[in-house]
Amino acid sequence: KQEVTQIPAALSVPEGENLVLNCSFTDSAIYNLQWFRQDPGKGLTSLLLIQSSQREQTSGRLNASLDKSSGRSTLYIAASQPGDSATYLCAVPNRDDKIIFGKGTRLHILP
Amino acid sequence: DAGVIQSPRHEVTEMGQEVTLRCKPISGHNSLFWYRQTMMRGLELLIYFNNNVPIDDSGMPEDRFSAKMPNASFSTLKIQPSEPRDSAVYFCASSFWQTEQYFGPGTRLTVT
Repeated sequence: KQEVTQIPAALSVPEGENLVLNCSFTDSAIYNLQWFRQDPGKGLTSLLLIQSSQREQTSGRLNASLDKSSGRSTLYIAASQPGDSATYLCAVPNRDDKIIFGKGTRLHILP
Repeated sequence: DAGVIQSPRHEVTEMGQEVTLRCKPISGHNSLFWYRQTMMRGLELLIYFNNNVPIDDSGMPEDRFSAKMPNASFSTLKIQPSEPRDSAVYFCASSFWQTEQYFGPGTRLTVT
């Protein structure tokens, strides 16, 4: 049974700092892993999708890495801004069409 | 509560046919979301409603897709006409404002 864990549950950092969010999963037989951003009252916004054959993906100030063998993914945010404040979720699709989400990391960037 | 209910669970149709996917959100939730899941693109938000009103439909791929929420307990996602590239798993999710989204089991759509 796939389980997804995100650490830390909450994080506050001063504006401008670089930060890393962590995601771990128990079943390495995944075909992709996705990072989302969740803002209050809105749908999930996809940030980065990493296919199982890839090691990392970059989009602007965001970089996500994937290490299937160790069951880990990280989301690196460079030069954080107050607008980055949100909840960040990682998710992996299961064999039976379920999407398994972590519980998220609530990020607060201090101006 | 039975959770978010979606029907049908599986749908196989021919290209050009109309497809209607249905969703019943969790009672008391006032936000409803439609997502599409494919291997290549992952999970994508199509549209979401707050209090039965569509708020953001920028994720709807094209005019062939439409969604309605006539009341707080029911929503539909319609594809007309369907195309093979619409084949995916379609998820409905609901939440109460800023709380966690609860996903339905999904509808696996295959368009031949």
